[in-house]
Amino acid sequence: EAGVVQSPRYKIIEKKQPVAFWCNPISGHNTLYWYLQNLGQGPELLIRYENEEAVDDSQLPKDRFSAERLKGVDSTLKIQPAELGDSAVYLCASSVGAVNEQFFGPGTRLTVL
Amino acid sequence: AQRVTQPEKLLSVFKGAPVELKCNYSYSGSPELFWYVQYSRQRLQLLLRHISRESIKGFTADLNKGETSFHLKKPFAQEEDSAMYYCALSMAGGSYIPTFGRGTSLIVHP
Repeated sequence: EAGVVQSPRYKIIEKKQPVAFWCNPISGHNTLYWYLQNLGQGPELLIRYENEEAVDDSQLPKDRFSAERLKGVDSTLKIQPAELGDSAVYLCASSVGAVNEQFFGPGTRLTVL
Repeated sequence: AQRVTQPEKLLSVFKGAPVELKCNYSYSGSPELFWYVQYSRQRLQLLLRHISRESIKGFTADLNKGETSFHLKKPFAQEEDSAMYYCALSMAGGSYIPTFGRGTSLIVHP
């Protein structure tokens, strides 16, 4: 089993450019999470999906961030336009229902110049 | 709002010494608490959760509701225990935001 797959692993863009991250969860996991992790900090939840429904998105900066999980499987997180402060690692995780063990992807390291 | 506090950014010990990584939380309901670990060049993974009451890799953690703590302990540290450790809180039931502490870097010297 490949585990949670994320791409790209690294991304370097200039500020004001758009960027998108992709996540494929473990098969059968209905809950999917996107986290932001700044250097020296723990992961902070951006959005949580139960199947295709976003059930926790209060911490997603909706003016520039958007996410979708069509068909309740893989998911895309987008930033448009990117700002310097968006430089961080973006983690995707999945689980069988909420409050259970989360399985994390390797993350995407974003650098905004 | 729920919060998880890991007071130590770095914990440095020698091999064979006891280890205690501290975690305190603030939440008024019934918490679900976890310890996640990230070894060098690996992804974040679950180490243990309080409801399982297991010992994983020699580590144990006891939920103390009176002190709102979930400290991670190991009687004899090994070099391979060197990693980042994150304490995490999830609520039981309903809409929730899983909350992680900032992490403690454990370094075990030979």
